[in-house]
Amino acid sequence: KQEVTQIPAALSVPEGENLVLNCSFTDSAIYNLQWFRQDPGKGLTSLLLIQSSQREQTSGRLNASLDKSSGRSTLYIAASQPGDSATYLCAVALSGYSTLTFGKGTMLLVSP
Amino acid sequence: DVKVTQSSRYLVKRTGEKVFLECVQDMDHENMFWYRQDPGLGLRLIYFSYDVKMKEKGDIPEGYSVSREKKERFSLILESASTNQTSMYLCASSLITGGSYNEQFFGPGTRLTVL
Repeated sequence: KQEVTQIPAALSVPEGENLVLNCSFTDSAIYNLQWFRQDPGKGLTSLLLIQSSQREQTSGRLNASLDKSSGRSTLYIAASQPGDSATYLCAVALSGYSTLTFGKGTMLLVSP
Repeated sequence: DVKVTQSSRYLVKRTGEKVFLECVQDMDHENMFWYRQDPGLGLRLIYFSYDVKMKEKGDIPEGYSVSREKKERFSLILESASTNQTSMYLCASSLITGGSYNEQFFGPGTRLTVL
């Protein structure tokens, strides 16, 4: 059974820092990996989706990388801002028709 | 933009009541999903549906049922609500195109409290 782990569970940084969030998964035969953001009491917002054939995806200050062989993905946030404060979740799919398996998230706090 | 809406943001019900949570998406997505989210347990899949009138059990289907009579609407039903069903309920949808599984898009969530 696929398991997804996110480390650290919580992270606090001052504004302006570059930071990396980690996601690892036990079954490397994934179909794709998706990063989400969740604000308190709200739904999930899709940030980036990486297909298994891709190594990375970028959107603005966000860059997600994927290393299938080692079962790892990282989400890099450049020049962090207080508005980036949220919980970040990663999720993997094992096939085109499979459901997502989620990590428990990293709670990020960016202080002014 | 894909829009997934849920019928209520907050809901308070009593033990034993029948509860309906509604989810509607406006982008003609085939797949729809219901999750619950609890502190320390993360997101857990309750039920999902690949097409109208089709449903599949997720990881924690006990105590729940679903209905999908129209492509855009997926309902979660708590037949007899219990206090351990107090949770945040999240609906999501995604598109299947040529066998490709695309991004899941989520609704705003329903915070259900069962007293």
